[in-house]
Formats: sequence, structure tokens, C-alpha cells
Amino acid sequence: EPEVTQTPSHQVTQMGQEVILRCVPISNHLYFYWYRQILGQKVEFLVSFYNNEISEKSEIFDDQFSVERPDGSNFTLKIRSTKLEDSAMYFCASSVGLGRTGELFFGEGSRLTVL
Amino acid sequence: AQKVTQAQTEISVVEKEDVTLDCVYETRDTTYYLFWYKQPPSGELVFLIRRNSFDEQNEISGRYSWNFQKSTSSFNFTITASQVVDSAVYFCALKEGNQFYFGTGTSLTVIP
Repeated sequence: EPEVTQTPSHQVTQMGQEVILRCVPISNHLYFYWYRQILGQKVEFLVSFYNNEISEKSEIFDDQFSVERPDGSNFTLKIRSTKLEDSAMYFCASSVGLGRTGELFFGEGSRLTVL
Repeated sequence: AQKVTQAQTEISVVEKEDVTLDCVYETRDTTYYLFWYKQPPSGELVFLIRRNSFDEQNEISGRYSWNFQKSTSSFNFTITASQVVDSAVYFCALKEGNQFYFGTGTSLTVIP
């Protein structure tokens, strides 16, 4: 069964360092998303991406964050200068489209720990 | 205001008991979608069910059943004859347009 894959599964970094989280969405999906979940809290929307551009983003997704689809298969989330509060599980998701086909398929998450 | 409210933070049941997880949502859209996801201790999010706003028919899938009531803006999830493997955090979510809103989750512990 096709699945969304994410790397790394866990990354530990020092505050102020840049981090890139990688995702390979399901191959025929057109919409891509990043969500985050601070430990023990709810899943929060960060950004959605369609047709090589951001379609929506939340207040959390400030100038420190950027997304890219560099090569038609990978979908990356970059955090430019990490802060302690960026420590969370980051989930990538993809969907075929909107409407009836719009359910999200999530990757297994990348746990980011900022020290 | 919360778009999706899961009032039960934690629930513990003994194996083989039935358990219902509550979900109340808020939206002004006439077309929307509701979902339940399971997050086991390993951390991944597993899709369980999608329901659109025009389909209030209840659904049963094995030991799982869902009760969608537009009149009360609720989309409750019942696990019948619970098993230890059902222990997880369960998230209800609302999809409006292209954005998902998750509830805070209900942590279910099934005691053997």
C-alpha cells in the first residue's frame, strides 16, 4: 500500500541551527501539507502546498519556515534558525485532491528536539 | 473558539467494554468533512474514517462505529468490545476547504 515517508525519524539539533525535514508524498497525490504536534498537544496545521506554491499557511508558519518541492518527489520543510519551542513531532501529509478524495494520509512523523 | 472539541481528555476502560469517544465541531460551511484518526504509542497518525456533511448515515466497520448528527454537530466514535490494541490517542478532525482542524485528542487506555 502506498504511503507517505518521512526522514529523519528523529533529529536533535542545537538552538539556532537550520533543520530540513524531508517527505516523500504518495506519488499520485497533488496536495501536500506539514503539521506539527508539540508533545501531548493537538495536531496543528502549518502549511499546504499545491502546484508548486503555498496555498495556505497558519500563523505558526512564520518567516523561519519554508517549504519546497525541489525535484518532483520530495517535499521539504526548512526551519532556518531553530528555537526551543520548535521541538515537536512534524507530520507530512498528502492528499489526492479536495472534496471526496481529500482525506489526508500522514507520514510517521519526524521528531525534532531542539536543545 | 475551538473548531473541534473533544471534551474527554483521557478514558480508561477494561478490555471487552464498549467505549464512546465524543466529538463536537463548529463550522459555518455547508460542505465539510469529518474524520477520525488514531495515534498509537508509536506516534503515527492512522486514518480511520471520513464522513461528508451530506451523509448522516451511521457507519459500522468491524468493532468501530460512528454516529454523525448534524443537529447536534457531533461525530461520535464507538469501539465495541475494546481490546488492548485499541489503546491510543484518537483525534477527531474537521476539514473546511483545504484545511484540517484537529481536536485535542482523547487518550484511550484499555486495561487487560
